[in-house]
Amino acid sequence: GQSLEQPSEVTAVEGAIVQINCTYQTSGFYGLSWYQQHDGGAPTFLSYNALDGLEETGRFSSFLSRSDSYGYLLLQELQMKDSASYFCAVRTGGFKTIFGAGTRLFVKA
Amino acid sequence: DGGITQSPKYLFRKEGQNVTLSCEQNLNHDAMYWYRQDPGQGLRLIYYSQIVNDFQKGDIAEGYSVSREKKESFPLTVTSAQKNPTAFYLCASNPPGAGGEQFFGPGTRLTVL
Repeated sequence: GQSLEQPSEVTAVEGAIVQINCTYQTSGFYGLSWYQQHDGGAPTFLSYNALDGLEETGRFSSFLSRSDSYGYLLLQELQMKDSASYFCAVRTGGFKTIFGAGTRLFVKA
Repeated sequence: DGGITQSPKYLFRKEGQNVTLSCEQNLNHDAMYWYRQDPGQGLRLIYYSQIVNDFQKGDIAEGYSVSREKKESFPLTVTSAQKNPTAFYLCASNPPGAGGEQFFGPGTRLTVL
């Protein structure tokens, strides 16, 4: 079957750096995306990696290793507003995307 | 402003009734999607459509139906055959060549009593 694995919860302190890992096993792979979702809200797109390496967008960076079927989202200079759920998602082919179960990030003061 | 609208935000229905959730976009995107999200879980794909008058089943299509008569609209009907319809339903779209980025509507929270 197809699966994406990510930790269910992560807790970090304001101002710190946190890394959320995602490993995937899918029948096809076009790229790995990351989304943020606050409680009761809709997911918002953060990043997309189609090739190996690190992509940086402000305080957020995302990494992909296709040979290891692994990626991560790195959040720097954590702020209270970063408390949310973070989902990795794999575009498996054409228009289809599979989402992980999500990692709930708690940022403490 | 361009975006995706879903209405209503909250919907209550009695068991055994069909209900249709609306999704409209003015982003001129060809591809549209319906996802279901249960508490503490990720998104599961119900149906998707690449172009008008064409749609494909996702991973959990049983008990749902869709239509795509216009580019802007992709309504989802939750039928009485859906065993556990209470969930948060999200509509999304993306333009061609967008890579992984999907744009989401605000969602409809359906509760079946």
